[in-house]
Order: sequence, then structure tokens, then C-alpha cells
Amino acid sequence: QQPVQSPQAVILREGEDAVINCSSSKALYSVHWYRQKHGEAPVFLMILLKGGEQKGHEKISASFNEKKQQSSLYLTASQLSYSGTYFCGTVASGAGSYQLTFGKGTKLSVIP
Amino acid sequence: DAGVIQSPRHEVTEMGQEVTLRCKPISGHNSLFWYRQTMMRGLELLIYFNNNVPIDDSGMPEDRFSAKMPNASFSTLKIQPSEPRDSAVYFCASSLSGSYGELFFGEGSRLTVL
Repeated sequence: QQPVQSPQAVILREGEDAVINCSSSKALYSVHWYRQKHGEAPVFLMILLKGGEQKGHEKISASFNEKKQQSSLYLTASQLSYSGTYFCGTVASGAGSYQLTFGKGTKLSVIP
Repeated sequence: DAGVIQSPRHEVTEMGQEVTLRCKPISGHNSLFWYRQTMMRGLELLIYFNNNVPIDDSGMPEDRFSAKMPNASFSTLKIQPSEPRDSAVYFCASSLSGSYGELFFGEGSRLTVL
């Protein structure tokens, strides 16, 4: 079952912050985040494993609350280059390691 | 190193025709995925290969779809006969070990069936 992402779309001005949420109805083993620019392939951002860890990559970080089966992606001081569609992917606990199911994405537009 | 290579990048065909999409994964990767992306359904996993063996094809929508991986450096996704509802972007991705790590996606093959 697909994870649910919110919001579906968001528009930011440069320098503003954003949070993208991802929730699942299943117990999760891992959450993955990818970004896809228009007409391009999805590009990996990070993986979070159960254990409630938080990861960061420059000004993009994420958290994973395994009890709530939720993850959030935090983008701080957004840059024009952050524009794109962000996908969360989930692997359910007990599922095959390959069964990465993606949400429908959150379209982020950063404007000057 | 080259990334995942897919061909063709664009394919326009008529309903009923056979379509073959090709993928060359990153050398050394033992996992290969075929995904289909549409506006309505997002990214859907079609089939997964591990060490050239199909592990799960439950995402393949119909018998019209088939996939092969004859060796570690080549995979094909075939649609025969094609239908307009097959129009989508088809992505191939490879990784070192399933979804435990990063998936490297190819640029995709955009298929339009008229």
C-alpha cells in the first residue's frame, strides 16, 4: 500500500523552510527519500531505518518515527535548486528488501 | 562511471505494436528494478531481479508485459501488444543490495501508445 504524502504541492520563496510528511498504515523497516526534477530520474537523498533516527544532508534533513509510522523531510533556507518533486518510499517490516513502495510525491517550487 | 543506461529515451508507437525497453545497470550491482511512472499512480514497481533472477513480478500489470535479464549487464521489458493505457515513463534502477541502499535510476523511457 502506498505511503501518503502531504502536502501535495508547496510554493516557497528562497530562504523559506518547508516540511514534507510521509505516513504509512504499515509498520515500517525503512523510509527512503528521493527528489525528481522535471524530466529527469529520481535521485536518492537519504534512507532512515527504524530506530527513530534523524539524518541530515546539508540543509535537508529527515526524521523517522517508527511508532507513528511517519517520516518528515525538512528543507531549511530553501534554494532554487531544491525545486522538484519529493518522493518518500517505504519498506514494510517483514517485507522483502526490494519492496520499496513510493508515495505520489510532493511538488516543491522555490521562487526568487 | 556510467550510470544506469536506458534506451530508447522516447518511443511512440501504435496500439497493438510490440515495444521493447532496454536497460544496462551499473556494473557490480546485483539488484535491478523496473518501475512505471504515471501521474495517476506515481512510481509503481513492476518487477525485481536479484542476481539476474526474477524475484517478484507481481507488479507486472498483465500478461502483455514480460521482462528478462539474460546477464548481469542487460535487461529488457517487453510489452506485446501495447495499448494506450501503457503510456508512461518506464524507469530502470539498480542497486548493490535490494532496497537496503540507494537505488540508482536511469533517465527513463517515455512511451506513448497511440
